[in-house]
Amino acid sequence: QKEVEQDPGPLSVPEGAIVSLNCTYSNSAFQYFMWYRQYSRKGPELLMYTYSSGNKEDGRFTAQVDKSSKYISLFIRDSQPSDSATYLCAIAGGFKTIFGAGTRLFVKA
Amino acid sequence: DSGVTQTPKHLITATGQRVTLRCSPRSGDLSVYWYQQSLDQGLQFLIQYYNGEERAKGNILERFSAQQFPDLHSELNLSSLELGDSALYFCASSVAEGAFEQYFGPGTRLTVT
Repeated sequence: QKEVEQDPGPLSVPEGAIVSLNCTYSNSAFQYFMWYRQYSRKGPELLMYTYSSGNKEDGRFTAQVDKSSKYISLFIRDSQPSDSATYLCAIAGGFKTIFGAGTRLFVKA
Repeated sequence: DSGVTQTPKHLITATGQRVTLRCSPRSGDLSVYWYQQSLDQGLQFLIQYYNGEERAKGNILERFSAQQFPDLHSELNLSSLELGDSALYFCASSVAEGAFEQYFGPGTRLTVT
């Protein structure tokens, strides 16, 4: 079993839709939960992170962590074609960071 | 632009050869991480250095080695290359040793023929 599971997609949505991206993890020792966005042929860039459980909002993006079920989510409101990218979840703790496989998202104009 | 630079951008080489990938971290960052990204394996952590010393090892093959120099740039050496080593290799840097906030470079695309 992988330490972080993420559906690779692809996920295709119309412009303006609410997008929900999810990951599950198995090791409860991790304390930091991140979402990276990776455009084609570019390096991943950190979108947002949360520490422990709870929600964090940044503009159209909301990150949510439920440690009891080991489930992390990223919601994108009013999705735009420019949001088309691969989204990778990551968990970190104790000098270790593990990435999910990434979900490819396509937002159609 | 993350501030992390990687050279070369592309590398095409033959099986059995050896290559060196180079990374310069963001100004002020002491930690450097190397990752391998392939279509079927996702982003795999290889190795981390902090201020010149190895700090953590992931799924790095014995044919691969890395080092971080006094000026903090890092090199990843890949030897006895195999077709399966074809992938994108990313370098990331962070301020502190255990920082979760990593800044990625643009990557080096390695093709082994």
